[in-house]
Amino acid sequence: GAGVSQSPSNKVTEKGKDVELRCDPISGHTALYWYRQSLGQGLEFLIYFQGNSAPDKSGLPSDRFSAERTGGSVSTLTIQRTQQEDSAVYLCASSLPGQGRYYGYTFGSGTRLTVV
Amino acid sequence: SQQGEEDPQALSIQEGENATMNCSYKTSINNLQWYRQNSGRGLVHLILIRSNEREKHSGRLRVTLDTSKKSSSLLITASRAADTASYFCATDALTGGGNKLTFGTGTQLKVEL
Repeated sequence: GAGVSQSPSNKVTEKGKDVELRCDPISGHTALYWYRQSLGQGLEFLIYFQGNSAPDKSGLPSDRFSAERTGGSVSTLTIQRTQQEDSAVYLCASSLPGQGRYYGYTFGSGTRLTVV
Repeated sequence: SQQGEEDPQALSIQEGENATMNCSYKTSINNLQWYRQNSGRGLVHLILIRSNEREKHSGRLRVTLDTSKKSSSLLITASRAADTASYFCATDALTGGGNKLTFGTGTQLKVEL
């Protein structure tokens, strides 16, 4: 696609429910990143994919968080048993392999998750 | 944890004035990037400066980098109301950072008419 697409743009869920957030990167961008931004805060790294593998999962805050990527394209971030502290904007970014660190990332518009 | 810290946290200026934002970081870097975020959503890449560069220009933007002080500044000249946004620096660590960028805490810029 022309840009990084994230869905849904907004999600309100009840505490304890599972949610899935989707990211569709730019075609050909094999590097994909998930970040989380809590209200008024900077971006917190969650996970990095190169193709379908995730060489860096160091930012996932707990085992309730998981992510997968299929076909080297679409990625899904799943949060199980959501808690109120999971409320944040979840941002996805993509880049050509190895290029993001030199030319920058392209970000999606994010999913605003609210856990009530 | 965030490596970068932006200063000030918030800045309010009049249209036509210059805006300067500063970023400090902790580890040695390959490069430093600046991003802009409107309304708490997606970030837009503005400019990148490499560790061997001291100053870079792009339109109304000027970025400086001082690796000895581990700091960078972003100057927006002749600001416009449309420049109102949050601005983040992001660093690519020289070692141990993997392939990810580490973002700072951001400066909220408000340009008033």
